[in-house]
Amino acid sequence: EVQLVESGGGLVQPGGSLRLSCAASGFTFSSYDMHWVRQATGKGLEWVSAIGTAGDTYYPGSVKGRFTISRENAKNSLYLQMNSLRAGDTAVYYCARGDSSGLGAFDIWGQGTMVTVSS
Amino acid sequence: SYVLTQPPSVSVAPGQTARITCGGNNIGSKSVHWYQQKPGQAPVLVVYDDSDRPSGIPERFSGSNSGNTATLTISRVEAGDEADYYCQVWDSSSDHYVFGTGTKVTVL
Repeated sequence: EVQLVESGGGLVQPGGSLRLSCAASGFTFSSYDMHWVRQATGKGLEWVSAIGTAGDTYYPGSVKGRFTISRENAKNSLYLQMNSLRAGDTAVYYCARGDSSGLGAFDIWGQGTMVTVSS
Repeated sequence: SYVLTQPPSVSVAPGQTARITCGGNNIGSKSVHWYQQKPGQAPVLVVYDDSDRPSGIPERFSGSNSGNTATLTISRVEAGDEADYYCQVWDSSSDHYVFGTGTKVTVL
């Protein structure tokens, strides 16, 4: 079964750091682009970062310079290092797989992990 | 940055057809994807590349895209279709992925 399982969420103070992990199974992890998408409570979806199969990375302006996406293919794992966290980063963070055709769709999603930034 | 606009809500009676629009500048030139999200659950891809369906998605879900508007159509609506729906594209000019504002579908 194709599956993504996130972990690492929790409560962190403003200015603090947190590292999220996503464990992939059921597919050849190294062959897919991977993404992080977040959703604040009661709000819409926001793309947070992407990493290609070659390790190329992409970020929106809202997190660029603060968040770092990485992958470890030998461990079938995706990571998101989040630094200088702000209250506005509070959200459920989803790990998602990019579609194999390179169309830009997210075809598999994890169940999400909650990040709360508060003092 | 590229903006995708959806109506906040759509209401439809069971058995009828729901149409959810997604507006964006020349969106017809992009590949549009649609997601269904039920309360407390992760999003699920229901239509990709404008009009294709992943395996396991009912034929009642279809999509179209032309000009400045993409549309997700849900035929013969069922109570279980009640959810939030999001459109999404990849903006090649910025290498960013963009989601629409989301539409809540209510089955009357």
